[in-house]
Amino acid sequence: GQNIDQPTEMTATEGAIVQINCTYQTSGFNGLFWYQQHAGEAPTFLSYNVLDGLEEKGRFSSFLSRSKGYSYLLLKELQMKDSASYLCAVRDNYGQNFVFGPGTRLSVLP
Amino acid sequence: KAGVTQTPRYLIKTRGQQVTLSCSPISGHRSVSWYQQTPGQGLQFLFEYFSETQRNKGNFPGRFSGRQFSNSRSEMNVSTLELGDSALYLCASSLGAGRGNEQFFGPGTRLTVL
Repeated sequence: GQNIDQPTEMTATEGAIVQINCTYQTSGFNGLFWYQQHAGEAPTFLSYNVLDGLEEKGRFSSFLSRSKGYSYLLLKELQMKDSASYLCAVRDNYGQNFVFGPGTRLSVLP
Repeated sequence: KAGVTQTPRYLIKTRGQQVTLSCSPISGHRSVSWYQQTPGQGLQFLFEYFSETQRNKGNFPGRFSGRQFSNSRSEMNVSTLELGDSALYLCASSLGAGRGNEQFFGPGTRLTVL
């Protein structure tokens, strides 16, 4: 079956670093995506991993280990505007279905 | 470049009715995907269209259907509405289908079924 797990909620302080984990079990794998979604808004693309390792993009980095079915999103120098839900999603079955995790609601406190 | 647009933004229907939602992708994008988002189930994949052909379909009943036109605009239809169909319906477009093509989401249509 298809299953993606993420922590439901996380809290961090402005200026700190936070790591949001994602574990997945899907039939086939063709890439893992991270999206950010502010309340009442549509998701926006953050990163894409298809090979093992770290992808860095400014304050955001995403890591993938295919053998462990594991990814994390690392947010550095947290800002108040980073308070949002972070969605992990996997393309399975050789690019067929797109499976989303439940999302992690991150609250950044002053 | 204009983003993904969806119409209408809000819709209220009653059980048993049917509804059609529309999505216009970013110019040049040929792939359109539809998602349902609810507080309980999160974001769930409905279907994906590429060049007027349905490429993939999620685990939704046959009451949910869609199509894509030659200009890449897409519509989804839900027949015999149920209370549980109340949700935010999101459309996303990308250059091509599959693999790493980044998806750009529209603002969504919030459907309320009474």
